[in-house]
Amino acid sequence: EPEVTQTPSHQVTQMGQEVILRCVPISNHLYFYWYRQILGQKVEFLVSFYNNEISEKSEIFDDQFSVERPDGSNFTLKIRSTKLEDSAMYFCASSEGQDYGYTFGSGTRLTVV
Amino acid sequence: AQSVTQLGSHVSVSEGALVLLRCNYSSSVPPYLFWYVQYPNQGLQLLLKYTTGATLVKGINGFEAEFKKSETSFHLTKPSAHMSDAAEYFCAVSAFTSGTYKYIFGTGTRLKVLA
Repeated sequence: EPEVTQTPSHQVTQMGQEVILRCVPISNHLYFYWYRQILGQKVEFLVSFYNNEISEKSEIFDDQFSVERPDGSNFTLKIRSTKLEDSAMYFCASSEGQDYGYTFGSGTRLTVV
Repeated sequence: AQSVTQLGSHVSVSEGALVLLRCNYSSSVPPYLFWYVQYPNQGLQLLLKYTTGATLVKGINGFEAEFKKSETSFHLTKPSAHMSDAAEYFCAVSAFTSGTYKYIFGTGTRLKVLA
């Protein structure tokens, strides 16, 4: 069964450093998303991406965050200058269409120290 | 705006007993509703979804959910719990507003199955 692949599975970074979280969505999917889950809390929407542009972003997705689909297969989330509160599990998801349900990756656990 | 409320952050059932996880939603437009399961240290796996049509939907692992518009509910059930069902379960609503769809997740319910 097709999967959404995320790398790395764990990343530890120092506060103020830039991190790039990588995702390979399912190949025929058109909609891409990033969500995050702070430990013990609910899954929060960060951003949606369609047709090579951001379609919606949450208030969490401030100027420190950016997304890119550099080569038609990867979908990346960049955090420019990490803060302690960015520590969370970050999930990438993709969808064939809006009512198909999302397929989530297994997540990247980001720890900012 | 849409929202999702999951009653009970923790639910414990005995093995073989009925599982009932509650989800109520708020949406100004017809919603699409989903249940996801998250096993420890893993991602979110789609259990089942309601978009249109039959209000009782069946998913994987013996789970099912019924969309009740009058009660704005989408409760998840399974007749007989298995130890492997221990996980966190998230209800989500997606509605088309402002030209786009967006998922809103509930806060999750952690299911514990007792031997």
